[in-house]
Amino acid sequence: EVQLVESGGGLVQPGRSLRLSCAATGFTFDDYAMHWVRQAPGKGLEWISGISWNSNTMGYADSVKGRFTISRDNAKNSLSLQMDSLGAEDTALYYCVKDSRPSWFGELGNWFDPWGQGTLVTVSS
Amino acid sequence: QSVLTQPTSASGTPGQRVSISCSGSSSNIGRNVVNWYQQLPGTAPKLLIYSNNLRPSGVPDRFSGSKSGTSASLAVSGLQSEDEADYYCAAWDDSLNGYVFGPGTKVTVL
Repeated sequence: EVQLVESGGGLVQPGRSLRLSCAATGFTFDDYAMHWVRQAPGKGLEWISGISWNSNTMGYADSVKGRFTISRDNAKNSLSLQMDSLGAEDTALYYCVKDSRPSWFGELGNWFDPWGQGTLVTVSS
Repeated sequence: QSVLTQPTSASGTPGQRVSISCSGSSSNIGRNVVNWYQQLPGTAPKLLIYSNNLRPSGVPDRFSGSKSGTSASLAVSGLQSEDEADYYCAAWDDSLNGYVFGPGTKVTVL
């Protein structure tokens, strides 16, 4: 069974940093691109970052570009998101998501499946 | 403001058919496939429809998707109480070089 388990969320002050992790099991991790998608409380879904199977390419939403860094360790079947210069607008549930293809680009018709249960990040003083 | 547009809510009685629209543009739905995700209350989203109209194994055939031009739609026939959820459309956007989600449609079973 494919499982994605996020960790690292918590309460952080504005301007500080936080690092999220995602442990993947049940599939060949380095065959697939991975993503982070977030959901602010009571709001909709927002894609924020994707990374290819071999870490050669990454992509970011404009809302996090320059502040967040996605990475993966295929030897450890893990995905990470380094979040710097956090602001109140970053308060959300962060989901780790498996892509259907090795590349994170969507022009080939990718889809997200499955999703982890999410880890909550709260940015507040 | 979402790049994709969905109605805020939709409702129906058990057994009825409900349809949810998703409107985009030539840079997203017009050129790329649409996927639909179902989010039951208090849970993570789940893939419901992929590549416009395909169902993952385990998804009942009551759920169907379609796409035409820059719009897509999700239909739920034979509505059941367990279908009460938020439904999101999503697509790749060539201009943004990223994925975009619709704002979500809350389906209520009356």
